[in-house]
Amino acid sequence: QKEVEQDPGPLSVPEGAIVSLNCTYSNSAFQYFMWYRQYSRKGPELLMYTYSSGNKEDGRFTAQVDKSSKYISLFIRDSQPSDSATYLCAMSARETSGSRLTFGEGTQLTVNP
Amino acid sequence: NAGVTQTPKFRILKIGQSMTLQCTQDMNHNYMYWYRQDPGMGLKLIYYSVGAGITDKGEVPNGYNVSRSTTEDFPLRLELAAPSQTSVYFCATGGYGNQPQHFGDGTRLSIL
Repeated sequence: QKEVEQDPGPLSVPEGAIVSLNCTYSNSAFQYFMWYRQYSRKGPELLMYTYSSGNKEDGRFTAQVDKSSKYISLFIRDSQPSDSATYLCAMSARETSGSRLTFGEGTQLTVNP
Repeated sequence: NAGVTQTPKFRILKIGQSMTLQCTQDMNHNYMYWYRQDPGMGLKLIYYSVGAGITDKGEVPNGYNVSRSTTEDFPLRLELAAPSQTSVYFCATGGYGNQPQHFGDGTRLSIL
């Protein structure tokens, strides 16, 4: 069983839709949760970074963490064609030397004009 | 500010050849990482370094070697390339443990 499960999609939505992306995990040691966005032929870029359960909002993006259910989500409001990319969830446990991220396999999103 | 720079961007190797993937950062980060990304598999950690002179294995280190002689550079060496090493390789840096990592744009490597 994978430590982090993420539906690979692909997910196709019309412009303006609300997008929900999700990951589940099995390792209760994970404390830090990230969402990366990866455009085609580019490296992942950090989108959201959260610690502990709850919500974090940044513009059109909201990250949600539910540690009791081992479930994290990323919501995109008023989605735009420029949001078309692969979204990767990543997480890490408390470690003082090195930060060994465990990634989901990514969800491919297309926002149609 | 270049951030994390990886060279080359693309490379085709023959089975059994060797090569070095270069990674340079100007962020003065202590931590550096090498990942490989295969379709449907997410990113897997190959090796990482917590500072100059210190390296450690990640999840999939077999067939690779690394060195870290300076803060800025963290090259990844492939010896005796095999088709299973066809992948996209990403270098990343991080300031402190559990801080977000910053990625380069990758090296796309094909081994035929």
